[in-house]
Amino acid sequence: AQRVTQPEKLLSVFKGAPVELKCNYSYSGSPELFWYVQYSRQRLQLLLRHISRESIKGFTADLNKGETSFHLKKPFAQEEDSAMYYCALSTGTYKYIFGTGTRLKVLA
Amino acid sequence: SQTIHQWPATLVQPVGSPLSLECTVEGTSNPNLYWYRQAAGRGLQLLFYSVGIGQISSEVPQNLSASRPQDRQFILSSKKLLLSDSGFYLCAWSVIPGSAEAFFGQGTRLTVV
Repeated sequence: AQRVTQPEKLLSVFKGAPVELKCNYSYSGSPELFWYVQYSRQRLQLLLRHISRESIKGFTADLNKGETSFHLKKPFAQEEDSAMYYCALSTGTYKYIFGTGTRLKVLA
Repeated sequence: SQTIHQWPATLVQPVGSPLSLECTVEGTSNPNLYWYRQAAGRGLQLLFYSVGIGQISSEVPQNLSASRPQDRQFILSSKKLLLSDSGFYLCAWSVIPGSAEAFFGQGTRLTVV
């Protein structure tokens, strides 16, 4: 079955501390993985996708097929990073499957 | 540029009443369209998706239905709302099947009382 697991509902870190939001997936084929972010009172939007291998707002994510993981990382958290983060899997058909989300709170 | 409109933003409906949520996309043709429900602790649950006019795929059995009467219009409906239908509903679109970014609307907060 296709599934995305985000084990942490809430992650609180202090400003300047490293951040890692965990995401594990279950899919037998070649997945395409995404991180979406929802800031307060804003719509859900794409943060980054694994095929781009890019860094957005200081965030990076590496696809580890052996561990079936796509963790989101940032070396130094900022207060404006506080938001809801969703990991998503696309199987190459028409569906995007989302995890349950992790709320990141960056404390001053 | 492409935009997605979803309305209403909030809705309070009594149990047993009908529902119609509308979503329209501008600036693109033949988009893939999606309805998701966002619930606390349950993430984003895919309800329906559509790859063309009149083509609807349902992901979960439920009290809701979807229709796509026009290329860029996607409607979420119910004949009789249940309390359990309360939630935050999101419409989204994408161009390339599953491999490109999905763009989301602002969402509708539905409260069934």
